Amino acid sequence: GIQVEQSPPDLILQEGANSTLRCNFSDSVNNLQWFHQNPWGQLINLFYIPSGTKQNGRLSATTVATERYSLLYISSSQTTDSGVYFCAVESGYSTLTFGKGTMLLVSP
Amino acid sequence: DAGVTQSPTHLIKTRGQQVTLRCSPKSGHDTVSWYQQALGQGPQFIFQYYEEEERQRGNFPDRFSGHQFPNYSSELNVNALLLGDSALYLCASSRYRSPNYGYTFGSGTRLTVV
Repeated sequence: GIQVEQSPPDLILQEGANSTLRCNFSDSVNNLQWFHQNPWGQLINLFYIPSGTKQNGRLSATTVATERYSLLYISSSQTTDSGVYFCAVESGYSTLTFGKGTMLLVSP
Repeated sequence: DAGVTQSPTHLIKTRGQQVTLRCSPKSGHDTVSWYQQALGQGPQFIFQYYEEEERQRGNFPDRFSGHQFPNYSSELNVNALLLGDSALYLCASSRYRSPNYGYTFGSGTRLTVV
């Protein structure tokens, strides 16, 4: 099956700093989603982005499908950005396969 | 527009017991997938239901079974619970074979087996 690798595994930032999270995948995909898991466990969909670039406020994401990677940018981080960020991909008509996540801690 | 709803939110069971978790998909979605997330890990795919049939299954034993109802809601059943079944169980809904619509997740059921 498809492999998904996320980096870095952990990230500690001061409030106001910027960060870039990376997701590499091993096969062509027709679905790529970035999720934020809050401390209560809910997976919040941030972006559906199998290719191209999208922006939503302080967050933006870019997927380069031909090179099999995606980047999630967080600008001017806030303490509420803390949590685990997951990249998940779907290849063909399969199902979502998740990476192991990046745990982000933003300190005041 | 209601998203994905799961019940119960928390559950404590004893080893060997059976448990049933429930999920109602987002309006307009017809497919339900179940995931298990152990502490510190990413979600792992259990199975997917569409048109009341199991369409895909991950690497989980037969103790894990499911059902989908005509209104698209779904249940996950786990028999003969083991301590290792303690996890967050997530339900995701989607439109069948329409990856461009993406998946929407519920808040999960946290199962503790003692």
